[in-house]
Amino acid sequence: AQSVTQLDSHVSVSEGTPVLLRCNYSSSYSPSLFWYVQHPNKGLQLLLKYTSAATLVKGINGFEAEFKKSETSFHLTKPSAHMSDAAEYFCVLYGSSNTGKLIFGQGTTLQVKP
Amino acid sequence: ETGVTQTPRHLVMGMTNKKSLKCEQHLGHNAMYWYKQSAKKPLELMFVYSLEERVENNSVPSRFSPECPNSSHLFLHLHTLQPEDSALYLCASSHQVDPGAYGNTIYFGEGSWLTVV
Repeated sequence: AQSVTQLDSHVSVSEGTPVLLRCNYSSSYSPSLFWYVQHPNKGLQLLLKYTSAATLVKGINGFEAEFKKSETSFHLTKPSAHMSDAAEYFCVLYGSSNTGKLIFGQGTTLQVKP
Repeated sequence: ETGVTQTPRHLVMGMTNKKSLKCEQHLGHNAMYWYKQSAKKPLELMFVYSLEERVENNSVPSRFSPECPNSSHLFLHLHTLQPEDSALYLCASSHQVDPGAYGNTIYFGEGSWLTVV
């Protein structure tokens, strides 16, 4: 069975402080993992993607994530939060072939306080 | 702007109505998808099309009927829906079906908000 668990439904940080959004996964395949962001009334935008190359993945807007197989984790980080980072973030797993079926986590709402 | 356009953005329909959601992409992609985003639930894949052929039907009720007339257009035909079908319906596209393939990114539209009354 494949699954994604986002450990926090809501994270609140102050502007300029680090961001950590946690994600654990379970997959019997070699997984591809993604982080997507969704701003209010907008579609999903890809932040970054891991596909069995470098375990530290750099994405857009200063975000990065590290794939840790031993911990089955793919946490998203950013050194310094900006007000525009406030949004819903989804950790996403793809573990099977030829069906295109992405497995989404429940989402984490990031609040950034001034 | 991701290049995936969905219309209408908002739709209110009665349970006996028949309506359709439309998705259009001019990115040259060969795979298109319908996802459902309900409140307090993870996004769920509904259908996947590759080169206009359906390759995945994720146990979706028959009151949802997809149609892919060409690689640039995808429809979701709706009939006799239930109030619990109210959700955000997201269309997406990619070059190929495998999201893990190098250089293959799934692009999402902004969604169609559906309310069934």
